[in-house]
Amino acid sequence: KAGVTQTPRYLIKTRGQQVTLSCSPISGHRSVSWYQQTPGQGLQFLFEYFSETQRNKGNFPGRFSGRQFSNSRSEMNVSTLELGDSALYLCASSSSGDRDTEAFFGQGTRLTVV
Amino acid sequence: AQRVTQPEKLLSVFKGAPVELKCNYSYSGSPELFWYVQYSRQRLQLLLRHISRESIKGFTADLNKGETSFHLKKPFAQEEDSAMYYCALFTGTASKLTFGTGTRLQVTL
Repeated sequence: KAGVTQTPRYLIKTRGQQVTLSCSPISGHRSVSWYQQTPGQGLQFLFEYFSETQRNKGNFPGRFSGRQFSNSRSEMNVSTLELGDSALYLCASSSSGDRDTEAFFGQGTRLTVV
Repeated sequence: AQRVTQPEKLLSVFKGAPVELKCNYSYSGSPELFWYVQYSRQRLQLLLRHISRESIKGFTADLNKGETSFHLKKPFAQEEDSAMYYCALFTGTASKLTFGTGTRLQVTL
């Protein structure tokens, strides 16, 4: 079956703009998590959605938000972009998000803020 | 707060040599630990988890609660093992993984 798909793969935005990233989970998976990966901070958890509800949130400012649709697809939005938001954004899906289920990662969206 | 520490950014070994990638964690609850691997130009993928106690691609990892460690080991390194390895701790009730900063394993001839 198809893996986790993230679109777009690359984005260049200007400071102050906003951006929306998309993640299509593996069919049947209801949990979608988002991570930010940077050389300095590594992989950091942003938030997790399950059945259209945000269940968990990391330590990121309110400029970072997300949502999940009834088909489990998820979007992440970053408003008022800052240079420091430049990163690889990874999405992961799992069947339930429970501790014994495997998380499958997408290829990521590389965001560059100029 | 939970934390995962991978002290080595780069580990370079010769083919056939033993490999040990170190991982230490800090967590007040019952830990669930994983190793993820990212090969060149591929997505991050699960290598193994401590609860399954299995060996994947010759790698094993034992959870040592006394030393709060989950080191990844392989007796004989292969060239195809060259990759970025991340140790991760599952916390909370909802698929939150806390990752270490990763160790790049370089296996040379």
